[in-house]
Amino acid sequence: GENVEQHPSTLSVQEGDSAVIKCTYSDSASNYFPWYKQELGKRPQLIIDIRSNVGEKKDQRIAVTLNKTAKHFSLHITETQPEDSAVYFCAAGDHQGAQKLVFGQGTRLTINP
Amino acid sequence: GAVVSQHPSWVICKSGTSVKIECRSLDFQATTMFWYRQFPKQSLMLMATSNEGSKATYEQGVEKDKFLINHASLTLSTLTVTSAHPEDSSFYICSARDRTNHLNQPQHFGDGTRLSIL
Repeated sequence: GENVEQHPSTLSVQEGDSAVIKCTYSDSASNYFPWYKQELGKRPQLIIDIRSNVGEKKDQRIAVTLNKTAKHFSLHITETQPEDSAVYFCAAGDHQGAQKLVFGQGTRLTINP
Repeated sequence: GAVVSQHPSWVICKSGTSVKIECRSLDFQATTMFWYRQFPKQSLMLMATSNEGSKATYEQGVEKDKFLINHASLTLSTLTVTSAHPEDSSFYICSARDRTNHLNQPQHFGDGTRLSIL
């Protein structure tokens, strides 16, 4: 089955700097890669996703890149703000098949003012 | 749009009690819902895939007789933790996908249920 590895587990950056979180996956059949943001005790919220027919996607300060050959994808947050502090999860899934997602271990991002 | 409601949000009960958690899609229909468990400071672990009108598909290591799932309508799935014990204490979260053009729809999560077994 699919296995998703996420790094780093914790990340601390100064406000205004960029943050990068990386994930690798094992199943070449996976074709959908969402990123979720979860604040303490709350639901995961989708912040951006990418499908395997696209190499990069951007939404304001957030971007995701995908390298299918190497089976890795990354989340980039630019101009970080204190409200970006949260736990971020990457996931991989087969969007057209079982539709289930396998999540990475999570990254606790702290933005220092 | 795409709101998933989960109830209750918090449950505290004695060991041996069975607890039912509801997951509803409020403004869309979902043929498939997913149940996850999340222990403190850990990731979301998929427990089972709930299929409307048919049996749920359980992940390896998840006891189907312990975690009963019913998906009787296109907007409601329930998870019943039977004879709960302290080790079942966790944060349970459901998610659902809009069946309309479902291949292009993300999973939307409920607010989760924090279950504490004394």
